[in-house]
Formats: sequence, C-alpha cells, structure tokens
Amino acid sequence: AIQLTQSPSSLSASVGDTVTITCRASQGISSALAWYQQIPGKAPKLLIYEASSLESGVPSRFSGSGSGTDFTLTISSLQPEDFATYYCQHFNSYSHSFGQGTKLEI
Amino acid sequence: EVQLLESGGGLVQPGGSLRLSCGASGFSFSRYAMSWVRQAPGKGLEWVSTISGSGGRTYYEDSVKGQFTISRDNSKNTLYLQMNSLRADDTAIYYCAKIYSALTTANPHDYWGQGTLVTVSS
Repeated sequence: AIQLTQSPSSLSASVGDTVTITCRASQGISSALAWYQQIPGKAPKLLIYEASSLESGVPSRFSGSGSGTDFTLTISSLQPEDFATYYCQHFNSYSHSFGQGTKLEI
Repeated sequence: EVQLLESGGGLVQPGGSLRLSCGASGFSFSRYAMSWVRQAPGKGLEWVSTISGSGGRTYYEDSVKGQFTISRDNSKNTLYLQMNSLRADDTAIYYCAKIYSALTTANPHDYWGQGTLVTVSS
C-alpha cells in the first residue's frame, strides 16, 4: 500500500505569513493527490484535488503543486480561519489513504 | 444542497456489532461512489471503505476486511456500514463522504457528513 508522509507534523505561524506543507508518497502516484482542511470539531473540507486544482469556493491563497512522489500545499497570507489541521490524501480506484496530518498553529 | 447525515453510532461492548447509516440528499445518489472515513479521538483521518454507485464494487482498508461491510440502498438514498467484532481501537468518529466524480472511485471526497461517534468499551 502507498504510504503518505507529511512534514512537518506541526507548524507555528502568524497571520499574514506564507507556509508550506509537504506530502511525500512512498511511490509515484502521478497527480492523484488531494488536500483537506479540518477545523476541530468539524468534518474535513476539500481544498485541492489532482494535486493542484483548487476546489470551487476555496480562497486563492491556497495552492497545491507536485507530481510523482513529492507534493506541497502552500497557504499565502495566512488568515485567522486558516489555523487548522491539514491532510493529504492519495486516491485510486480501490484506496483513499491519508497522510498523518499537519497542525497549523498560531 | 448536498447533505449527508450519519446515524447509528453509540456505545457498544467489545465483540459487539453496530450498523451505521448515512442518509443522502441534494444529488443523484446512485451515480456516485460513497465512502466511510473514521477518526479516532485526537488522531488523524483513516479511510475505511468505498462502494461504487451501483453497489457492485466494494473496497476496504486492510485492517477492517472481513470485519466491516459497506452497502447501500439507492432506493432509500442511504449508505450503510455494518461493523462486527468491534474492538476498542475501532472507537472513532465515523464520517460518510461522497466521491467527487460520478465517473470513477479514483477521486477525492467533496462532501462529508458531520460524523457519528462509535465508542467500543465495556
């Protein structure tokens, strides 16, 4: 099974900062990667699909890049509502595995 | 508006069984694959199972194969998860989630329910 490793596990930042979260796959997965945001007590929210496509309604300060084994989620000009936990996810026809998560804290 | 509403969670003893349900509305339910994803207290997301729109294809995470069964009733717009032989490490919030595209299960999840808590304890 393909393993996803996110780094860092936690990250401290301030409003207005730009941050980058990395997701590394144990083998090549083309662009079959998504990013989610989860606020405590809430369901996950899809941000990015196909590694770099922005989901409808998601602010443009969120961006994704990468293909193969290395992927990044970048959040520019952090807003107070962006402090949450972020997960990457690989998807194929028969599996939808997640990374372990990155907690973004003030 | 897409809505997913899980139910059926609760406290169950180790070795017991539970059936979760997820009622769907706001989209053509039978066209889309659906999944269950769980989250243990204070832990990350764990994909559990996915079922195709017709119900003819099912997929499971290795740790729940033979223990959990995913199914759906398209006439009732409802997704199910039958959980047997429950263990303490099955304690989690269980979310149902809709697959993004009607064409294939190889897609992320664009809509999620609010989750239902399953607690396995004596």
